[in-house]
Amino acid sequence: DGGITQSPKYLFRKEGQNVTLSCEQNLNHDAMYWYRQDPGQGLRLIYYSQIVNDFQKGDIAEGYSVSREKKESFPLTVTSAQKNPTAFYLCASSPVGGGSTDTQYFGPGTRLTVL
Amino acid sequence: AQSVSQHNHHVILSEAASLELGCNYSYGGTVNLFWYVQYPGQHLQLLLKYFSGDPLVKGIKGFEAEFIKSKFSFNLRKPSVQWSDTAEYFCAVNAGVDSNYQLIWGAGTKLIIKP
Repeated sequence: DGGITQSPKYLFRKEGQNVTLSCEQNLNHDAMYWYRQDPGQGLRLIYYSQIVNDFQKGDIAEGYSVSREKKESFPLTVTSAQKNPTAFYLCASSPVGGGSTDTQYFGPGTRLTVL
Repeated sequence: AQSVSQHNHHVILSEAASLELGCNYSYGGTVNLFWYVQYPGQHLQLLLKYFSGDPLVKGIKGFEAEFIKSKFSFNLRKPSVQWSDTAEYFCAVNAGVDSNYQLIWGAGTKLIIKP
């Protein structure tokens, strides 16, 4: 089955802790993305990567970090510097980075709650 | 700030009613336009997209959307909705260099179809 997997589905974190969200794709896509979704708001881009070993900040990168060491993996770390981390996090991929007509394919999401 | 607006946050319809969900954007140049849908418990997925040619675009499950450049709009339509159309619908725009080749998302419209 081709697709994008995200784990865990639900994640609870204490204030002051860093936490890493996993995203894996087996679609052989070059580009991968992390979005944050809050109630009543659209998806907001946190980070994106158009190619292995390269990534760029999106609109709300503060308090987050990523790595792209392998084509199929794009983990997101939510650091203690993120002021309001409780949200639903979506990972996506697309065939080509920088393609303005590309369809993005999404994972099931991770719901992070900070206690 | 440039943006994507979905004016209806919640829509409730009866089965067989006609549907039109509004989407307006504020980018003045060339745009590529998308509608994504998230059915309950499923991944966000592409419904349809427009990037050139006929401004009336047909998508999956009987949906269509019309690009009206003069109105900066890309409204989603379906002549007769079904209970299975209950979902959240997102409009997104890639405005090329004006959006850094990334998707800018509307806030979403939650559609509930009463059986």
